[in-house]
Amino acid sequence: DAGITQSPRHKVTETGTPVTLRCHQTENHRYMYWYRQDPGHGLRLIHYSYGVKDTDKGEVSDGYSVSRSKTEDFLLTLESATSSQTSVYFCAISDPTVGDTQYFGPGTRLTVL
Amino acid sequence: SQQGEEDPQALSIQEGENATMNCSYKTSINNLQWYRQNSGRGLVHLILIRSNEREKHSGRLRVTLDTSKKSSSLLITASRAADTASYFCATSGTYKYIFGTGTRLKVLA
Repeated sequence: DAGITQSPRHKVTETGTPVTLRCHQTENHRYMYWYRQDPGHGLRLIHYSYGVKDTDKGEVSDGYSVSRSKTEDFLLTLESATSSQTSVYFCAISDPTVGDTQYFGPGTRLTVL
Repeated sequence: SQQGEEDPQALSIQEGENATMNCSYKTSINNLQWYRQNSGRGLVHLILIRSNEREKHSGRLRVTLDTSKKSSSLLITASRAADTASYFCATSGTYKYIFGTGTRLKVLA
């Protein structure tokens, strides 16, 4: 298994509070991604990073921000959580020098009350 | 909007039967990939087919790609109870991947 961890694995928070999810990789892959998974929608890309300090928006980026200060860490922040952000969040990594496959973390289940 | 749409949304078969699921997409692609997700887990890569390939095999998996119809199919032969999972297609452009909504496969023992 690719060395990808996500923390926390579960979180319950209240509307309006800030939340930060962390993705950590040990594979030295250049690209990192944050997705959310909701019933009926599959996986939707929130943000991705193509290098340290280089990030771009995905399909559903409103209400989310990201940061990547080190190759191994990619943070997803909900500045002010809303109930619509209740979801399962997955981090993934890839590197074109080793192929086009994405490797996924175990996911974080976030509930916003 | 989703690039890939899988069909059917759900499929239930008996162990030993073949399972076929389809994926349609909307724009040009570099490659198309299939992933499996067991309940409560992350996605696991199964197979990749490039835009200039028409068919690819890996063990009990067979993938076809028809770029003229913008569609792909995944065939799992001689299914097992352990194949019970959700299956997603993903299209790849420039380092961005777009996933479909998935097919939930249930294999009955």
